[in-house]
Amino acid sequence: EVQLVESGGGLVKPGGSLKLSCAASGFTFSNAWMNWVRQAPGKGLEWVGRIKSKADGGTTDYAAPVKGRFTISRDDSKNTLYLQMNGLKTEDTAVYYCIVGAQTWGRGTLVTVSS
Amino acid sequence: DVVMTQSPLSLPVTLGQPASISCRSSQSLVYSDGNTYLNWFQQRPGQSPRRLIYKVSNRDSGVPDRFSGSGSGTDFTLKISRVEAEDVGVYYCMQGTHWPGTFGQGTRLEIK
Repeated sequence: EVQLVESGGGLVKPGGSLKLSCAASGFTFSNAWMNWVRQAPGKGLEWVGRIKSKADGGTTDYAAPVKGRFTISRDDSKNTLYLQMNGLKTEDTAVYYCIVGAQTWGRGTLVTVSS
Repeated sequence: DVVMTQSPLSLPVTLGQPASISCRSSQSLVYSDGNTYLNWFQQRPGQSPRRLIYKVSNRDSGVPDRFSGSGSGTDFTLKISRVEAEDVGVYYCMQGTHWPGTFGQGTRLEIK
């Protein structure tokens, strides 16, 4: 069974940093393009970014609102995806989901940016 | 970014009756490989989104056959043939043809 489990969310002050993790199992993680999507409280869904498999170059792409502040990385030896968030703003408050192939979503981890 | 526009945004439906949600994109969703990467998701209260339909009309495993997707180019539709109580939630269309993927605003389905 494909599983994705996010962790690392919490309360952080504006301007602060946080690193999210997503532990994957049930599929060949190293071959997968992985994504982060977020959902602000009571709002819709927004793509954050993606990382390709190393075989496809391992490159990353980011949505405009987070470009230059967020960094996606992966550790294929640990089957884990990461999202390093710097320079956090109140508008980054959201549940952050790790997803693979648009089909499988984790349960999400809540990030709250507030003073 | 490609803008996805859903209608209606609120959809009250009587149990057993059909329901339909429209989704329009600001540009064609036909990819260079000939596929159209249009997905539909269901988000039940308190849950993560669940994909129902991929590439316009293909149902994911375990999705009841009362859900169907259709459309082409820039106009797409999700239909539920007979609404059941478990269908309550918010439905999103999402395009994966152009980076970044973008979602519609969501349609909230409720039981009348």
